[in-house]
Amino acid sequence: DAGITQSPRHKVTETGTPVTLRCHQTENHRYMYWYRQDPGHGLRLIHYSYGVKDTDKGEVSDGYSVSRSKTEDFLLTLESATSSQTSVYFCAISEAGVRGGYEQYFGPGTRLTVT
Amino acid sequence: GENVEQHPSTLSVQEGDSAVIKCTYSDSASNYFPWYKQELGKRPQLIIDIRSNVGEKKDQRIAVTLNKTAKHFSLHITETQPEDSAVYFCAAYYGGATNKLIFGTGTLLAVQP
Repeated sequence: DAGITQSPRHKVTETGTPVTLRCHQTENHRYMYWYRQDPGHGLRLIHYSYGVKDTDKGEVSDGYSVSRSKTEDFLLTLESATSSQTSVYFCAISEAGVRGGYEQYFGPGTRLTVT
Repeated sequence: GENVEQHPSTLSVQEGDSAVIKCTYSDSASNYFPWYKQELGKRPQLIIDIRSNVGEKKDQRIAVTLNKTAKHFSLHITETQPEDSAVYFCAAYYGGATNKLIFGTGTLLAVQP
């Protein structure tokens, strides 16, 4: 499982509250990604990081922010949760070709429900 | 823009038959094409991938083919078994400044015993 954990695994929150999801990896991978998965849309990239304090937006970044203060942790924050952010969130890691591998490996996911 | 189309969205086959899932991509600079299998309630798992300098790759009952001219690639599963039932996602790697995968919308494969 590439040493990736996500917390919490399940969360129910109310509209308008802030929420932070955590992704933790143990193998010092350079790249980390946050995706959301919704029926009919597959996996869509929210934000990604290519190093400590280096992050960039993906295709569905509105309403989300990220931080990476340590190599092993990548945090996703919903500043003010909305019902449209109800989804399953996956973290992934990769070397993105830096050490020859482009493979991405996924964490176990976090199911977020915004009521 | 960057896009991956995947067909069909659902596929039902009899046990022992073959299954084929097809994807097309938009950026001719893409050079890496993975396939993921996702069982219900689980994370996507990488099952096979292919680089742009290879036309075909096999791993036991699964194979992937790539046609760079037509910008499409396919997953082939032979001698399907009930445990092959899952959602399968293709993806295309877009390098340069972004280093990201763009995913297809998935194919739900049901293998009927």
